[in-house]
Amino acid sequence: GQQLNQSPQSMFIQEGEDVSMNCTSSSIFNTWLWYKQEPGEGPVLLIALYKAGELTSNGRLTAQFGITRKDSFLNISASIPSDVGIYFCAGRLGAQKLVFGQGTRLTINP
Amino acid sequence: DAGVIQSPRHEVTEMGQEVTLRCKPISGHDYLFWYRQTMMRGLELLIYFNNNVPIDDSGMPEDRFSAKMPNASFSTLKIQPSEPRDSAVYFCASSPPTVLGTDTQYFGPGTRLTVL
Repeated sequence: GQQLNQSPQSMFIQEGEDVSMNCTSSSIFNTWLWYKQEPGEGPVLLIALYKAGELTSNGRLTAQFGITRKDSFLNISASIPSDVGIYFCAGRLGAQKLVFGQGTRLTINP
Repeated sequence: DAGVIQSPRHEVTEMGQEVTLRCKPISGHDYLFWYRQTMMRGLELLIYFNNNVPIDDSGMPEDRFSAKMPNASFSTLKIQPSEPRDSAVYFCASSPPTVLGTDTQYFGPGTRLTVL
């Protein structure tokens, strides 16, 4: 089936540092999404991207839809302790189905 | 709104037993999704419904799994008989009708299933 390659798998950073993670696919997607999951909770949508080349921000978060439509990245600037969690990318195949990456686990040292 | 509600939050059962997971979607949402999350396979879509009708069940692992949506406010995912490899966190998500598709999926807190 469809797979998304998300990297890195985990990150250990100092508070205040910037974070960058990305997803790549062998298939073209028409939508890229970024979710965050905290322990004991379901994923929460952070950013949705609908057009190739699109760059969208949500506070300290910025995400881009790759020109080839096969990749996307998420940046977090000036990380804070509440940014800790697992970040997932997801691509929308058709009208409804989402395919999720394996996640990037972010740990922040205060 | 209370968000997507799932019950139970935790379930421990023995191999061979029947397990039923429950979900109440957000009122007004007409799409409902069941996902399974494991360390090995990540987040996988099992099945989704639109207006209570199953649209795609290609992710259901085998015949032991079944899902129903008898009305717009309730869905169940049943495993019978359960096996240890079914141990995972099962999420329900719902989405409002939108011309853009189901990007804004709202996830419930999940049910952590352990099959001994």
